[in-house]
Amino acid sequence: GAGVSQSPRYKVAKRGQDVALRCDPISGHVSLFWYQQALGQGPEFLTYFQNEAQLDKSGLPSDRFFAERPEGSVSTLKIQRTQQEDSAVYLCASSYETGGYSPLHFGNGTRLTVT
Amino acid sequence: AQSVTQLDSQVPVFEEAPVELRCNYSSSVSVYLFWYVQYPNQGLQLLLKYLSGSTLVKGINGFEAEFNKSQTSFHLRKPSVHISDTAEYFCAVNTGNQFYFGTGTSLTVIP
Repeated sequence: GAGVSQSPRYKVAKRGQDVALRCDPISGHVSLFWYQQALGQGPEFLTYFQNEAQLDKSGLPSDRFFAERPEGSVSTLKIQRTQQEDSAVYLCASSYETGGYSPLHFGNGTRLTVT
Repeated sequence: AQSVTQLDSQVPVFEEAPVELRCNYSSSVSVYLFWYVQYPNQGLQLLLKYLSGSTLVKGINGFEAEFNKSQTSFHLRKPSVHISDTAEYFCAVNTGNQFYFGTGTSLTVIP
């Protein structure tokens, strides 16, 4: 595809429900990042993949958050037993190469609202 | 550790006036620097980047930024803004693996 695709665009979950957010990166992009963006804030790093390997998950806020990229392409961010503080926009980004010189290409995000 | 500071959370400016959005970073190593723009309900789009070489970099939509190593700054400028420039602007730094973003500056262009 032409860009990074995220689905669903909006998700409303009741507290305690599990959710799964999908990211389809640009074809051929090696690196994939997940960010959490609270209202009025900048993106906060969650986790990073290089192909199928999850190289950094230091930003995941709790063990309720889990991400995978089993075939080095599509990635899923799963949140178990959602809490109200999980409400945010979840952004996925991919880049062609590893190394900081390769800019990120972002999807439009998934807005998660936990009620 | 790296950090990015955007000193102004909101910047109102009249149409066709110049604007500067400030960004300072802290890092003990060499960095790559980026500016992104975010329109409502959209993801971030790359405006411009500094990797090496000339300290003045030009981006899309008439924006430019200047890297100042001694002041650890990477301020974004545009000589004449349009209504369509109203958006959130984020400065970001990368030292090799992870991107660190500032908290953003909301630019509002007033007709």
